[in-house]
Amino acid sequence: DTGVSQDPRHKITKRGQNVTFRCDPISEHNRLYWYRQTLGQGPEFLTYFQNEAQLEKSRLLSDRFSAERPKGSFSTLEIQRTEQGDSAMYLCASSLSSGPYNEQFFGPGTRLTVL
Amino acid sequence: QKEVEQDPGPLSVPEGAIVSLNCTYSNSAFQYFMWYRQYSRKGPELLMYTYSSGNKEDGRFTAQVDKSSKYISLFIRDSQPSDSATYLCAMRDGNNRLAFGKGNQVVVIP
Repeated sequence: DTGVSQDPRHKITKRGQNVTFRCDPISEHNRLYWYRQTLGQGPEFLTYFQNEAQLEKSRLLSDRFSAERPKGSFSTLEIQRTEQGDSAMYLCASSLSSGPYNEQFFGPGTRLTVL
Repeated sequence: QKEVEQDPGPLSVPEGAIVSLNCTYSNSAFQYFMWYRQYSRKGPELLMYTYSSGNKEDGRFTAQVDKSSKYISLFIRDSQPSDSATYLCAMRDGNNRLAFGKGNQVVVIP
């Protein structure tokens, strides 16, 4: 499968715990994006990387959230001291930086439930 | 006012009917307009991509963009039960983040 993959697909955690999600983009894609989607809403942009550089962060990305893409390949999103409001689907997408459209391909998401 | 408005009401149609979906937006900097389809518990998949005002057809799907009215539409002709999904409009300016609407859940009844 050459699409975007995310791990784990589901995560249940207790409030206050830390969680980390992984995203593996399409291999030749140099851009990687994180979005969050809550029930009944469209995805909301969190952050994006070009290669290993984090170029943009949304104000939704509080200090408890940190994202990395250390070698310009896979990325991790960590949430520290989780809160019930963090419960959502976390979506990763990747794209090329060249071309007029830079189509973003999405992974299946990681569904987080904070109890 | 949100950047992208999409009336999130569910839509049920009989098989073979035309499905009509639309979004409005407020950010004049948006240049690229997309429709994504999302099946339950899956990530969004790109359905249609347009840049300029006008119509774009792809099989049973037609996307319309009216930049002067800041209004985009998606039409699905001869709808099939397999078209049952949530449809999300999305837009971006010259940067890279996508701004999405809330989505419309469409159910096509056999």
